[in-house]
Amino acid sequence: TAGITQAPTSQILAAGRSMTLRCTQDMRHNAMYWYRQDLGLGLRLIHYSNTAGTTGKGEVPDGYSVSRANTDDFPLTLASAVPSQTSVYFCASSADDSSYNEQFFGPGTRLTVL
Amino acid sequence: GQNIDQPTEMTATEGAIVQINCTYQTSGFNGLFWYQQHAGEAPTFLSYNVLDGLEEKGRFSSFLSRSKGYSYLLLKELQMKDSASYLCAAMDSNYQLIWGAGTKLIIKP
Repeated sequence: TAGITQAPTSQILAAGRSMTLRCTQDMRHNAMYWYRQDLGLGLRLIHYSNTAGTTGKGEVPDGYSVSRANTDDFPLTLASAVPSQTSVYFCASSADDSSYNEQFFGPGTRLTVL
Repeated sequence: GQNIDQPTEMTATEGAIVQINCTYQTSGFNGLFWYQQHAGEAPTFLSYNVLDGLEEKGRFSSFLSRSKGYSYLLLKELQMKDSASYLCAAMDSNYQLIWGAGTKLIIKP
């Protein structure tokens, strides 16, 4: 079982360009999440989805958008990248959004915006 | 505001015991999670506490005191492979995880 996959593994992007980070899970989990991880800071939630067809804003949503057309896929789009979006991005999923549902993480995408 | 505090870095010796502390302040509380993250890898789940007390899982144990907003992760019989960052995360009333910055644990032979 693959679990959660993310693509690309890493990317260098020119400022002002757009990019979509892909995330796919095969665990039939209802809830999915996008986080960014920066040195010295905890994981910060960008957007989440409790079930297919619904999305919500996390702590740091500005400059990012998501969609959840089906259960398996949860792409994250940067419409016009800026250097402050340089980070490691993790996609995660859980069975649902209630307590005691551990989140499973993808391997991450390392994004550098120049 | 919501906040998680844990030490930035700790050093311990192979075979020893180490305790990593975490204090939290959240809007509501639905449990405390500990994750392990090796350098360059994704976080992986270690433990979950929602009631006061100690949960033991092999060499790892996790403790929670809800009244004190305090948790710790106890690692026994340390092995070199335990060198990693340990992330504390509290689940708030919206079932969102609030994450600490992580404690980097360095194991020396």
